[in-house]
Amino acid sequence: DAKTTQPTSMDCAEGRAANLPCNHSTISGNEYVYWYRQIHSQGPQYIIHGLKNNETNEMASLIITEDRKSSTLILPHATLRDTAVYYCIVRVEEGGANNLFFGTGTRLTVIP
Amino acid sequence: SAVISQKPSRDICQRGTSLTIQCQVDSQVTMMFWYRQQPGQSLTLIATANQGSEATYESGFVIDKFPISRPNLTFSTLTVSNMSPEDSSIYLCSVSRGIKEAFFGQGTRLTVV
Repeated sequence: DAKTTQPTSMDCAEGRAANLPCNHSTISGNEYVYWYRQIHSQGPQYIIHGLKNNETNEMASLIITEDRKSSTLILPHATLRDTAVYYCIVRVEEGGANNLFFGTGTRLTVIP
Repeated sequence: SAVISQKPSRDICQRGTSLTIQCQVDSQVTMMFWYRQQPGQSLTLIATANQGSEATYESGFVIDKFPISRPNLTFSTLTVSNMSPEDSSIYLCSVSRGIKEAFFGQGTRLTVV
C-alpha cells in the first residue's frame, strides 16, 4: 500500500521553481524516499531519492524534514517538458528488489 | 540506464481472448516487474518475475489470469488471459539494475472490446 500523501495537482509558471510536497508520516527508519515522474504516454522515470539528508542531482533537489515525516521535491527552473505526474514513494532500499508501490501522485502543469 | 522494449505497444482485443506482452531488456537483470495502470489511475504492481522460479503475485492478481514467463535474464512475458473490458489498461514492464532506481518500458496500451 502507498504510504504517502500528495496534493492532487499543482501549477507552476515556466522558469520558476516547482516545489512538490509529500507527506510520509509513517515512514520507517530504514525506508528511503523516492521520486518518479510519468510524462504522458511514457513509463515512469526515476528522479531522485534520499534517506535523511538533502539530495541534489542534475534533475532536482530533495529536501527531507528532520523528522522525515515529509519531503519536498524541487525543480529549480521548471520547463514545459516538466509537465507530468510526480510520484513520491517510500521503500526499503534492498539489494536487487525494486517493487514500487505508487500512490496517486501530483499532476504538475507548467504554464507558459 | 537500462533499455527496455515492450511489444506490442498497443492492441485492441476481443473479450474472451488472451494477449501476451513481451519485455526485452538490453542487459541481464535479476528481477523484472509487471505493473498495470488503469485509465486515469496510478500504477499497481502485478507481480515480480524471477528467472528460474515462479512469479510472485501481489494481492488481487493470480497466475491463472496473468501467467508470467521468465525464460532468461533479459526477457519476460505477461499474458492477460480471458480478457474482459475491465482489463483495458496500460501494462508496464520494469527492471532495476542495482538497488537505486527502476527503469520502465514504454508500456502496452490494451483495449478490450
